[in-house]
Amino acid sequence: GENVEQHPSTLSVQEGDSAVIKCTYSDSASNYFPWYKQELGKGPQLIIDIRSNVGEKKDQRIAVTLNKTAKHFSLHITETQPEDSAVYFCAASKNNTDKLIFGTGTRLQVFP
Amino acid sequence: KAGVTQTPRYLIKTRGQQVTLSCSPISGHRSVSWYQQTPGQGLQFLFEYFSETQRNKGNFPGRFSGRQFSNSRSEMNVSTLELGDSALYLCASSLGGAGATTDTQYFGPGTRLTVL
Repeated sequence: GENVEQHPSTLSVQEGDSAVIKCTYSDSASNYFPWYKQELGKGPQLIIDIRSNVGEKKDQRIAVTLNKTAKHFSLHITETQPEDSAVYFCAASKNNTDKLIFGTGTRLQVFP
Repeated sequence: KAGVTQTPRYLIKTRGQQVTLSCSPISGHRSVSWYQQTPGQGLQFLFEYFSETQRNKGNFPGRFSGRQFSNSRSEMNVSTLELGDSALYLCASSLGGAGATTDTQYFGPGTRLTVL
């Protein structure tokens, strides 16, 4: 069935360093890949998303890359700050459905 | 624009009871999806409603049900509660419709349900 694997499960970085989180999806028909940030006690917040017609998208310190052939997509956060500390989830979905298949999450800790 | 709102934010119930959770989508959004979040299973899709019709359904037992009203607000109901139903229940809204690609989903803060 549909599956999204996410690595690593935890990531600790020093403030100012970069952080990379990787996801792999199983369904080749997937064409939409959002990333969500979830802080304690809150719902997931969309931080960036990419559709399968592009290979890379950037928004200030955040970028996402997509490799459709390998069925991989990654989140890159540069110049990390303590407020980036949260759990990050990747997800994938297909045409004409609103069902998101989520990865298992990555707990990112940024130390000052 | 106001975001997705969910009520109540916290609920404590006992086994065997039933519970109804409410979700108000972003103004103009016609699709509402529900997800269950637990430490063990992560984020799992329950169902999605669009124009008062269930359009998609996940792999949950029939004790989990939902509905959508004409103003796009949605409710989900869980009957005969079990201890394992303790979770954060999230709803997400999107524009919906029959577009070629998935619409962006925006999540609410969730309802924390504890079953004793």
